[in-house]
Amino acid sequence: GAGVSQSPSNKVTEKGKDVELRCDPISGHTALYWYRQSLGQGLEFLIYFQGNSAPDKSGLPSDRFSAERTGGSVSTLTIQRTQQEDSAVYLCASSFTGPPEQFFGPGTRLTVL
Amino acid sequence: ELKVEQNPLFLSMQEGKNYTIYCNYSTTSDRLYWYRQDPGKSLESLFVLLSNGAVKQEGRLMASLDTKARLSTLHITAAVHDLSATYFCAVVEETSGSRLTFGEGTQLTVNP
Repeated sequence: GAGVSQSPSNKVTEKGKDVELRCDPISGHTALYWYRQSLGQGLEFLIYFQGNSAPDKSGLPSDRFSAERTGGSVSTLTIQRTQQEDSAVYLCASSFTGPPEQFFGPGTRLTVL
Repeated sequence: ELKVEQNPLFLSMQEGKNYTIYCNYSTTSDRLYWYRQDPGKSLESLFVLLSNGAVKQEGRLMASLDTKARLSTLHITAAVHDLSATYFCAVVEETSGSRLTFGEGTQLTVNP
């Protein structure tokens, strides 16, 4: 079956612009996660959605970052006023409830010039 | 704050040899995951370990979990070149819901 998909696969933007990254989880998965992977910081948790519960936003690095999940499916991660330190690969994962095995998408490589 | 440490961070080995990658974590958890990442690719799930003493094997890789020692191992048997990749362990902290905290990754190179 289809895995987690993300778009775009690559995004180059100028400092100060806003960007939106999209994630389509595996059908039927109720949990959705965003992580980012950068050279200096490794793999970091950003935000977690579980069903209709309030999201766990504890990993968002600043108030320039926000995310939403519409209809319990697709999620969008928005970064406002991008900075060069936002350059990273943004990974989305999804899972069923219960002991979760998280399945990762291919990622979006964001480059802020 | 949960800390997850892997060692070694870099491992170069010859085909046919055995080696073990270690993953230590700092707080109580009974959920540990191993992932593989090839250059430029995403994370591929290898093993899910959900209880003390859990052992799982797939091909030349075997993973185990000791929750009392807060230690997981990934053992490589008779390595082959195709195993060259970066391996991450990740832990779910009991109080954090389901979010993963990752180790730094072990970059494995298997030489002919």
